[in-house]
Formats: sequence, C-alpha cells, structure tokens
Amino acid sequence: DQQVKQNSPSLSVQEGRISILNCDYTNSMFDYFLWYKKYPAEGPTFLISISSIKDKNEDGRFTVFLNKSAKHLSLHIVPSQPGDSAVYFCAALRSFTGGFKTIFGAGTRLFVKA
Amino acid sequence: KAGVTQTPRYLIKTRGQQVTLSCSPISGHRSVSWYQQTPGQGLQFLFEYFSETQRNKGNFPGRFSGRQFSNSRSEMNVSTLELGDSALYLCASTYSTGELFFGEGSRLTVL
Repeated sequence: DQQVKQNSPSLSVQEGRISILNCDYTNSMFDYFLWYKKYPAEGPTFLISISSIKDKNEDGRFTVFLNKSAKHLSLHIVPSQPGDSAVYFCAALRSFTGGFKTIFGAGTRLFVKA
Repeated sequence: KAGVTQTPRYLIKTRGQQVTLSCSPISGHRSVSWYQQTPGQGLQFLFEYFSETQRNKGNFPGRFSGRQFSNSRSEMNVSTLELGDSALYLCASTYSTGELFFGEGSRLTVL
C-alpha cells in the first residue's frame, strides 16, 4: 500500500530552467509533507517542508506547493543548477500521541544539464 | 555537533546468516528510525524507537528486529538473510520536530 507516490523515476532539466518534481498521496491524515535530497553514498538530507494547513512554502530557489483537494504536492526549483542533480524523495509525516511516522515515496532522480 | 553515525558502512553476507547494524544518533535525539532503501522502492520504513521502546513498525517480516539502548544508540538485526535483503539500510534520528537526520547508511549485500 503505497501512501506516497512519485510517479516519475527521473527528470532531466537544462541548467537555469525550472525543475518540477511531483508527488501524490492517498491519506488525508498527514500533518506535514517534506522533501529530502540524496546524493550517492550519502544519507538523505532535509530540503523543505510544508504544513498540511498551508498551500505554499518558499525557501530560496525551492518552493513547495500543496493541493489538498488533489492530494498532490510539487517541488519547484528555480533556477536549476547542476549541483541540484540528486534523488529527491517526497515524504509525508503523520503525528499521533506519543510520536510520528514518516512515509517516503520511491524518489525522482533529477539531472540538471549544464 | 556530530551527525548520525552508522556502522558498518559496507558488509557482505551469505544467505541464511544474520547481521547486526548499529546507529548512533545525534546527541540529544531520542527517536531513531530505520529505513530500507532499494532501487525503485524508495525508503521503506522498518521501525522507530524512542526511549528504548519501539513506537512504530513497518510491514517487514519478523526476521527484522531492532532495539534501542539507554544512550539512544540503536541496533537492527536481520536473521536468516535472503537475497532480497540486499539494500542500503538507513538510520535517522530526530529531536521532536519530525525532521529526520539521516546517517550515510549501511550497504548490505547478500550472496
């Protein structure tokens, strides 16, 4: 039962253009959505998050949009840089009494061409 | 401060053997989660520990187990290894915000 889905295994973008990574979820109970970035031979690192009560969060070149009615979120990177080439994981977090649980998508590999 | 440390970084086992992986969280973090990463499957949640108690468990067979010690360090064990257990095993710790801080992972190859 995949509650968080990233349907694009890979994405290729020209340097300077916009990268849009998409993510769909099935559970309306998630409290936060997060994006993590992973380089080879390293663990994922947190990039940006958005509360389920918001529809947009921006941090520098990175913006996350949340469409609750469609159960869809997207990460926009503008402008894209070669150093952004990595695997991006979408994650959904649900809080409950005594803790929380984070569910990850399968990841999208972004290639930014110079 | 030091990040999440996982040992060993790489290991090779044969089918039927068992393996123990170790994770030292960031100082002050009491929650430790374990994930399995395989190509095409993303990060599959194994379990989460807090104050030596397992709070959450994913959909993995009983061959996968874990524990947490009083200093928050955690171990996970996989018994009777199968070829399909070959993966990158990631440990993550968190304080209270839910943001996970990952280690570099332990890459297990089962032959």
